[in-house]
Amino acid sequence: DAGVIQSPRHEVTEMGQEVTLRCKPISGHNSLFWYRQTMMRGLELLIYFNNNVPIDDSGMPEDRFSAKMPNASFSTLKIQPSEPRDSAVYFCASSTGGPGGELFFGEGSRLTVL
Amino acid sequence: ELKVEQNPLFLSMQEGKNYTIYCNYSTTSDRLYWYRQDPGKSLESLFVLLSNGAVKQEGRLMASLDTKARLSTLHITAAVHDLSATYFCAVGSQGGSEKLVFGKGTKLTVNP
Repeated sequence: DAGVIQSPRHEVTEMGQEVTLRCKPISGHNSLFWYRQTMMRGLELLIYFNNNVPIDDSGMPEDRFSAKMPNASFSTLKIQPSEPRDSAVYFCASSTGGPGGELFFGEGSRLTVL
Repeated sequence: ELKVEQNPLFLSMQEGKNYTIYCNYSTTSDRLYWYRQDPGKSLESLFVLLSNGAVKQEGRLMASLDTKARLSTLHITAAVHDLSATYFCAVGSQGGSEKLVFGKGTKLTVNP
């Protein structure tokens, strides 16, 4: 079975450009999470969805970040405009959402903003 | 606010030795997870601990949970080079949230 699929794997862009990261969760999983990983701050939850509805977006840094989940098999994380401090690895994860809901992570999208 | 603290953050050990990684958390929780991450790779789930006193073992790794002490341990027995990686604990928030708060990770290096 395919795991969580993220694209692009690597993205290099210039400050001020729009960045869109994409995620396909594991089929049948009801919850989807976006995490950001940096050396300084570790793994931080940005937002999570349950049944395509955003439940907790308290980790979204600011208005430049937005996330959508238009259907059960697709989510996007958009940064507009991007800044150098947004450089990080962005992970998408999904879970069944039940008790003991274990998160399964994608391979990550490594973003570099110059 | 739930805070998760791991120690040590860096661990260098010789093959064949035993060691323990500690994970403390600040508020009551009913679930704790251990993940492994190799450099440049994703996070791989190792253990899911859902009750006080839970103990899980896989190969040379054993994880336990003490919810009263708000402490989990990951014990490494007779380390081998292949165990070199970064290990994270993650703790579930209460109140129906599915949010997991991660520790900073313990970077383990096993030397021949």
